[in-house]
Amino acid sequence: GENVEQHPSTLSVQEGDSAVIKCTYSDSASNYFPWYKQELGKGPQLIIDIRSNVGEKKDQRIAVTLNKTAKHFSLHITETQPEDSAVYFCAASKRSGNTGKLIFGQGTTLQVKP
Amino acid sequence: GAGVSQSPSNKVTEKGKDVELRCDPISGHTALYWYRQSLGQGLEFLIYFQGNSAPDKSGLPSDRFSAERTGGSVSTLTIQRTQQEDSAVYLCASSLVQGNRGQYFGPGTRLTVL
Repeated sequence: GENVEQHPSTLSVQEGDSAVIKCTYSDSASNYFPWYKQELGKGPQLIIDIRSNVGEKKDQRIAVTLNKTAKHFSLHITETQPEDSAVYFCAASKRSGNTGKLIFGQGTTLQVKP
Repeated sequence: GAGVSQSPSNKVTEKGKDVELRCDPISGHTALYWYRQSLGQGLEFLIYFQGNSAPDKSGLPSDRFSAERTGGSVSTLTIQRTQQEDSAVYLCASSLVQGNRGQYFGPGTRLTVL
C-alpha cells in the first residue's frame, strides 16, 4: 500500500546550522508533497509544498527538493533558529478519483540548541 | 482570517460511551478531512468530504466510526462505543478544492478513553 518513510526520527543542531530531513514514498503516482511543522499542543502547520512538475522550491530559509526517479524528497532549513524546534512531517498524495488524502511520514523532532 | 476550529479541545470519556467531535472548516473551503494522531505517531487519514460527492471513508478503522458534513460546512465525527485504543488527537483539515491543494489543520481534539 501507500507508504512514506521519514528520517531521521530526531535531529539536534546548533543554532545557525542547517537541518535536512528526508522522505521516501512508495506510490509512483504521488504528485504532491507538503511539509508540516507541529508545535506542542497545536495542529500541523503547512510550511512549504512541492508538486511533481517541479524539482525544487524555496521560501526564505526553507527549501524542498524532489527526485521523482528515486521517489524521495527532502526539507532543508538553513540558518536554524530556536523557534524552528518542533516536529516536522512530510506527506504525499496523488490526484486519484475523488480524494486528496495525505499519507504522512512518522515525523522528525528537530531541536535547535541556542 | 479565521482558521479551522475544532471542539471540544479535550474530551475525556468512559469506555463504551459515544462521543461527537466537531470541525468548522475555513470559510469557502470545499474539501474537509479528518485525521487521527496517536501518541508520538504520524497522522492517519480517516475520511474526506468534497462538495456533494460521496465521501472517501477508506480510512475509518471500524464501523464504530462515522462522520457527516451538513450543508457543505461543519462536520461531525462520531465514535460509538469508545474503546481505549480510540484515545488520540483527532485533527480536521480543510482545503479549497479536492486533490493537490494545501490542507490547513485545526488544533485538534484530544480524546481520552478511560
